[in-house]
Amino acid sequence: KAGVTQTPRYLIKTRGQQVTLSCSPISGHRSVSWYQQTPGQGLQFLFEYFSETQRNKGNFPGRFSGRQFSNSRSEMNVSTLELGDSALYLCASSLATGEAFFGQGTRLTVV
Amino acid sequence: DQQVKQNSPSLSVQEGRISILNCDYTNSMFDYFLWYKKYPAEGPTFLISISSIKDKNEDGRFTVFLNKSAKHLSLHIVPSQPGDSAVYFCAASARESSNTGKLIFGQGTTLQVKP
Repeated sequence: KAGVTQTPRYLIKTRGQQVTLSCSPISGHRSVSWYQQTPGQGLQFLFEYFSETQRNKGNFPGRFSGRQFSNSRSEMNVSTLELGDSALYLCASSLATGEAFFGQGTRLTVV
Repeated sequence: DQQVKQNSPSLSVQEGRISILNCDYTNSMFDYFLWYKKYPAEGPTFLISISSIKDKNEDGRFTVFLNKSAKHLSLHIVPSQPGDSAVYFCAASARESSNTGKLIFGQGTTLQVKP
């Protein structure tokens, strides 16, 4: 069974640009969550999607958005990038509210 | 407001001995707890979980203990192996009350197992 797949693995963007990250969950998993990991803040919850609907949202500005498609694949978008957005972005999938399985992450660097 | 706390940033143990990683939480609505292991630049790997209706769950070398009255859980690794060296995260969820997969993570504890 394939795991959670995130693309791309690495990304370098310039301040002010926007970026889209992609996540393919484990087959059959309907919940997809996104997390941001930074050295100072640890793993912070961004948002969760379940059956194409945002079910929960963390305390991040509106520049961070996401969506989920009918096949459960999810995308995360960050607009007007800031230097502080440099982080490892992790996607996790689960059946509903059980164990979450994480992808390898996308390392975003904003210069 | 740190709802999940891992007060020990690091822990060093000898190979073959027991590793005990601790985690405290403040939100009484949390009803599901998980431990993850993480290597640098990789995603966390799920290790073991426990529901609030239990006080112990065991899986091979890994055992998680939950003390609800103290709002405390711990992960025991016996025997510890050098390959266990990684950052360990404790996470909590209020899945019954909020029907969500949202996880709140602790800051992590770096475990070093010396050969």
